[in-house]
Amino acid sequence: KAGVTQTPRYLIKTRGQQVTLSCSPISGHRSVSWYQQTPGQGLQFLFEYFSETQRNKGNFPGRFSGRQFSNSRSEMNVSTLELGDSALYLCASSGTTDTQYFGPGTRLTVL
Amino acid sequence: AQTVTQSQPEMSVQEAETVTLSCTYDTSESDYYLFWYKQPPSRQMILVIRQEAYKQQNATENRFSVNFQKAAKSFSLKISDSQLGDAAMYFCAYSPTHSGNTPLVFGKGTRLSVIA
Repeated sequence: KAGVTQTPRYLIKTRGQQVTLSCSPISGHRSVSWYQQTPGQGLQFLFEYFSETQRNKGNFPGRFSGRQFSNSRSEMNVSTLELGDSALYLCASSGTTDTQYFGPGTRLTVL
Repeated sequence: AQTVTQSQPEMSVQEAETVTLSCTYDTSESDYYLFWYKQPPSRQMILVIRQEAYKQQNATENRFSVNFQKAAKSFSLKISDSQLGDAAMYFCAYSPTHSGNTPLVFGKGTRLSVIA
């Protein structure tokens, strides 16, 4: 089975812009979770989608949003980018075992 | 709220030797999952091993094994016959087993260096 894929792998944006990141889960997995990783805060949970519905949400401002499509692919969007949004964004998918498998991440740099 | 603590920011081990990484957690739940993930310089988060709290037997995956002490809320990872490719950040993570997937709570990580 192919693993979790994320696009793009690297992204450079400027403050105030918006960005959309994409995640394709492992085939058959219906749950997709998003995490932000920074040197200062470590790994923090953003949100989780299951069958096109947001099932869990972390403590992030409303500028961070997401969605899931009928094929389980997920996107996350960050609007009005701030310097502090520079991070590695990791997507993970899980199936019936509740074990999360991660993609390679998208490295976002905000200038 | 559940918390995960990794008290060793950095560890080193000689190639072919054994090393143990520590992890403690705090929860009021009786059933949950515990994981160790490895993040090499490529930044890909790789699942190393998983433990279900209701299972008393410690999980093992080839050279990787855990020492799960439920009463002490301790979950250490032992790497035997260390290899250069084991050099990475290792994260301990917790997840309760409510119905539906719940977010992982991660520790701050332990950076493991392997010395040739």
